[in-house]
Amino acid sequence: KAGVTQTPRYLIKTRGQQVTLSCSPISGHRSVSWYQQTPGQGLQFLFEYFSETQRNKGNFPGRFSGRQFSNSRSEMNVSTLELGDSALYLCASSLEVGASYNEQFFGPGTRLTVL
Amino acid sequence: AQSVTQLGSHVSVSEGALVLLRCNYSSSVPPYLFWYVQYPNQGLQLLLKYTSAATLVKGINGFEAEFKKSETSFHLTKPSAHMSDAAEYFCAVTVNSGNTPLVFGKGTRLSVIA
Repeated sequence: KAGVTQTPRYLIKTRGQQVTLSCSPISGHRSVSWYQQTPGQGLQFLFEYFSETQRNKGNFPGRFSGRQFSNSRSEMNVSTLELGDSALYLCASSLEVGASYNEQFFGPGTRLTVL
Repeated sequence: AQSVTQLGSHVSVSEGALVLLRCNYSSSVPPYLFWYVQYPNQGLQLLLKYTSAATLVKGINGFEAEFKKSETSFHLTKPSAHMSDAAEYFCAVTVNSGNTPLVFGKGTRLSVIA
């Protein structure tokens, strides 16, 4: 089974631009979560989508948004980019099988550099 | 709310020596605990997890961790370090609610000296 894929792997943008990152979960996985990883703040939860609905949201400004499609693929968008948005953005998918914890499988990440 | 503290942002060991990476958690309800490893330019790979079964958890690559409720700890160990163990290690916590996000520690970078 193919793992979680993220595109693009590397991205360079300038301040004020917007960017869209894509995540394809493992086949059959219905939950997709996004995390931001920076040297200063570490790994921080952005949001989680399940069945095309945002189910959880972290403490990030409204410039960060996401969505999930009917095939469970997800995109996240960052508008009006700031230098501090430079980070590794990780996507994780999990299989929803009930109330217990579902293991998250991580993709390789998208490295975003804002100049 | 849950939180994780990893003691030591950088740990250095000799090849063949014991690896001990420390993790303490805070949670008002029974936690689920995880250790992930991250190699350069890669995502996170799950090493092992504690989900309220056995307190001593064995993972991949010879790693294991012990859940100690009284000490709120979940330290990661490996009896003999290998050069290939050099990476960043993250401890994470969540709770049994089905969709509570993972909360990560700041990470510990492990260096292995030949």
